Amino acid sequence: GDSVTQMEGPVTLSEEAFLTINCTYTATGYPSLFWYVQYPGEGLQLLLKATKADDKGSNKGFEATYRKETTSFHLEKGSVQVSDSAVYFCALSEKDTGRRALTFGSGTRLQVQP
Amino acid sequence: SAVISQKPSRDICQRGTSLTIQCQVDSQVTMMFWYRQQPGQSLTLIATANQGSEATYESGFVIDKFPISRPNLTFSTLTVSNMSPEDSSIYLCSVPGTSSYEQYFGPGTRLTVT
Repeated sequence: GDSVTQMEGPVTLSEEAFLTINCTYTATGYPSLFWYVQYPGEGLQLLLKATKADDKGSNKGFEATYRKETTSFHLEKGSVQVSDSAVYFCALSEKDTGRRALTFGSGTRLQVQP
Repeated sequence: SAVISQKPSRDICQRGTSLTIQCQVDSQVTMMFWYRQQPGQSLTLIATANQGSEATYESGFVIDKFPISRPNLTFSTLTVSNMSPEDSSIYLCSVPGTSSYEQYFGPGTRLTVT
């Protein structure tokens, strides 16, 4: 079955540091890939997405590129802020099977210190 | 994206009782999803609810424990029955986006069972 593997957290960075959160996936078909963010005490928000190989999703300074050859979708940001402190989830959705449910990774907690 | 509301936002319940969670969407949608997020964990799909048909449950979840109603295209309920402390979680509903197989989530219901 489908699965998503994320690097374990917490990831602790100083403000303005470079961020990478690794995400790899296993899928039977050709999935769409997503990053969701969950700020403290809030629900999940879609951060960015990519639907085909070499697509780059971007939002709020975050980027991730769909790498089919390495089955990866790593999240990056050039300069993090304290307000980026949250839990980040990588997820996929199969397009070929018609199953619209999302498969999530375990989540990575990011803590940004001033 | 759709606007999704959930009621209640949180509740504290005694073991052996049941709680019904409501999910309301501001537009008509064919599918609605219910997820569980146990403390410090990722999201796990409970079931997919389509209007006019029985919900489809994932492995490990049964209708007697998590009955779902879907009376129309903008509303669904999830009941957590005969609760135990292990049911303490955040329960989230979601709906598909219009493209790319993304989903949009409600704010969640934080349930504590004592």
